[in-house]
Amino acid sequence: VQLQESGPGLVRPSETLALTCTVSGGSISHYYWSWLRQSPGKGLEWIGYIHHTGTSNYNPSLKSRLTISVDTTKSQFSLKLASVTAADTAVYYCARGGWSLEDWGQGTLVTVSS
Amino acid sequence: EIVLTQSPGTLSLSPGERATLSCRASQSVNSNHLAWYQQKPGQAPRLLFYEVSSRAAGIPDRFSGSGSGTDFTLTISRLEPDDFAVYYCHQFGASLPYTFGQGTNLEI
Repeated sequence: VQLQESGPGLVRPSETLALTCTVSGGSISHYYWSWLRQSPGKGLEWIGYIHHTGTSNYNPSLKSRLTISVDTTKSQFSLKLASVTAADTAVYYCARGGWSLEDWGQGTLVTVSS
Repeated sequence: EIVLTQSPGTLSLSPGERATLSCRASQSVNSNHLAWYQQKPGQAPRLLFYEVSSRAAGIPDRFSGSGSGTDFTLTISRLEPDDFAVYYCHQFGASLPYTFGQGTNLEI
């Protein structure tokens, strides 16, 4: 299974960060799918996961700003993080699995700056 | 939140030597829901073990995972040049959020 993140590399403070992960080489309907991020200051951070049925779980620290959704017709799942600040600057990864993470995308750097 | 503390922060060894990396949890990890990952510069993490000691696909048997409760260990029996990287433990137990350790940098 291959995963590829896409989305803007620069987001203005207070705006919404939106990323999409495209899945290929396997069915999106067979697994859970996760988002994570990595920054120098905070290391690896679990953001949340979703199942193709819509079942999801979010990091409580992000839950009020976070939406993860899935589009099985496009083999994609997405992340939206509202009201971003500089603390949300990180490399964002999508991954296959809801717990142990078996396949990862290459990651995409998102910088929050005006 | 379960805090994972990895030690040492940096481990300096030579090819052929044995590496022992530790991961200690602030609370017992439910049902041994702990994984280990390897990360090289500029790359995404790579799964090594899930459920403490179940080796992921393609991981050589020089790598082994062990432990339970709050204390877990990743052992590499005979280091090869390709093994030098940062290693992370990750717990996905009953309580949110799932968390990662801060990493051990295994360097030559």
